[in-house]
Amino acid sequence: GEDVEQSLFLSVREGDSSVINCTYTDSSSTYLYWYKQEPGAGLQLLTYIFSNMDMKQDQRLTVLLNKKDKHLSLRIADTQTGDSAIYFCAESPLSNYQLIWGAGTKLIIKP
Amino acid sequence: EAQVTQNPRYLITVTGKKLTVTCSQNMNHEYMSWYRQDPGLGLRQIYYSMNVEVTDKGDVPEGYKVSRKEKRNFPLILESPSPNQTSLYFCASSSPAENNEQFFGPGTRLTVL
Repeated sequence: GEDVEQSLFLSVREGDSSVINCTYTDSSSTYLYWYKQEPGAGLQLLTYIFSNMDMKQDQRLTVLLNKKDKHLSLRIADTQTGDSAIYFCAESPLSNYQLIWGAGTKLIIKP
Repeated sequence: EAQVTQNPRYLITVTGKKLTVTCSQNMNHEYMSWYRQDPGLGLRQIYYSMNVEVTDKGDVPEGYKVSRKEKRNFPLILESPSPNQTSLYFCASSSPAENNEQFFGPGTRLTVL
């Protein structure tokens, strides 16, 4: 069945780049998303990429999509303490409205 | 302001006492969904609705009910709550006209004693 996988934790030093990885299984997905959940809050869309794109850049964020390997990554440049959060990867299969979610990667920032 | 609201935000209750968590969206979205979030398990979908009067089970529907009588509202009902339903619950809505981006409510933290 459809599945999205991501590692549960990532620890980086403040000022370094963070790279959060995600793999998915449904090759028909139209959109792939990154959501951010700050402590005690709901999820908010951080960015998304359409499946016919390879890369999308938005200020400190870079999303890379490798369709052949079904691999999605989120790079955060110059990681700050405010980037501490759980980051969820999700895909939107062509067949329906639903999103298939990863388990979330907790980004831990070391001073 | 476009938003999804949930009430209550926090609830402590006892086993067996029926409760309802309300969810409302003001974006005219067709699709609404309930998730629960537990440590290490990510988001698990409980129920979803593609439109008014259309609901379907998600991955973990046991012990929950929903209804979709109006487009904007999607309440989650626990007829007889049990301690294993202690969790953080999120309601979300979306529309294919908006890239299927899901908008989330602020969450309801439920504790069942």
